[in-house]
Formats: sequence, structure tokens, C-alpha cells
Amino acid sequence: DAKTTQPPSMDCAEGRAANLPCNHSTISGNEYVYWYRQIHSQGPQYIIHGLKNNETNEMASLIITEDRKSSTLILPHATLRDTAVYYCIVREGSGGSNYKLTFGKGTLLTVNP
Amino acid sequence: DTAVSQTPKYLVTQMGNDKSIKCEQNLGHDTMYWYKQDSKKFLKIMFSYNNKELIINETVPNRFSPKSPDKAHLNLHINSLELGDSAVYFCASRYMRDPEQFFGPGTRLTVL
Repeated sequence: DAKTTQPPSMDCAEGRAANLPCNHSTISGNEYVYWYRQIHSQGPQYIIHGLKNNETNEMASLIITEDRKSSTLILPHATLRDTAVYYCIVREGSGGSNYKLTFGKGTLLTVNP
Repeated sequence: DTAVSQTPKYLVTQMGNDKSIKCEQNLGHDTMYWYKQDSKKFLKIMFSYNNKELIINETVPNRFSPKSPDKAHLNLHINSLELGDSAVYFCASRYMRDPEQFFGPGTRLTVL
């Protein structure tokens, strides 16, 4: 699985958009980009994933650059409850029995009032 | 509520003891996992089971033995506990065809 690089921490004002970057310059053609987050003392939570097209769901938007070497997770209106560690993960495939996630250090997003 | 549940939430024990952590999911998933999150907050996969069969076994000491009595349960038994086993252990599950993993609330194990 390709390596990802994320800033260790970011701040965001409540109500503003939070844009979390992720670099994955060695991503290969069949590798997906996944985002999970972990709120303090809780288990990780799936947010979104994509291959090459931009994706949006009720939680966030995922913007993947045309060359797929980087992506940005966007929380459109951050709230205090969005304070968490956000993990960008790149892995091959989107299913299968031997599918596993390799978590890095992630980005600690702090949403300030 | 539909969810992944783990028991106990906290476990404090002495070095050398044997302990078990239980995990149950009522989401109808066919694949379950155990992850370990150490004091530096790194989250690493330990085991994965699909339909009660062991699929993934990372480099984990054989003191750790997972057991899956049925598709809804994946328990973790740890023999001869060591100080380095202190961590938060997360169970997760998913449906094999879907990428989304659902994580339990974690079990904080402290070995004294």
C-alpha cells in the first residue's frame, strides 16, 4: 500500500470549512484513498473513500487531484464535535476477504469556538 | 442498537495472567478484526477473520489467540500478559464486499 503524508495538526474555526490535505505521491492505479477519523477515546469512524473522482456524502467531500498524488478532505461546516484525528489511508481495492487498513499518524484537527 | 460491542471496556491485570476480550457485532457482517493501539497512538491490525476463518495474522506473538465461535463474535485471548501488552484493543467488522469498517468502542488493557 502507498505511503501517505499528513500534517500532524490543524486548527479550524467552528462553522468554517476544514480542509485536510494528504499526499500520496506513490499511489498506484488500483489504489483507493480512504479517510477515517478517531474522536478521543473512541474507535475510528469511516468518513469517505474514492478512486479518482471527487466524492461527497453527508459527512464530507473528498477532492482527489487529477494526477491522484494528493487529496483533500473537506468538512464544509466544522463543529466542535469534529475535533478528532483524521487518517488518510491508501490501499488496493475496496473489498475482499484480505482487505485491511494501515493507519499512519494522521492529522489532529482541533475545531475552536 | 446495531453496533460493534466489546467487553470489558477496561481491564487491569497483573503480569503473567491470562485474560480474554470479547467482541460482538449485530450488523450481519462476515469479516471481523482486532486492532491494537499503543501508547503512541499507532493503530495496527492484528487479526482478521472471514466467516470464522483466520484470514490475516500479522506478526503477533502466539500468546495472542483469537477465536471466532460464529460470524458475529471474535474474541481475543491473551496468555502470560506482559507490560508491553498494555494498549487499547479495538474490534472492527465489515461486510466483505464493502470497504467500510465499523469499529467497537475499544478495551483499555493495563498490565501492572
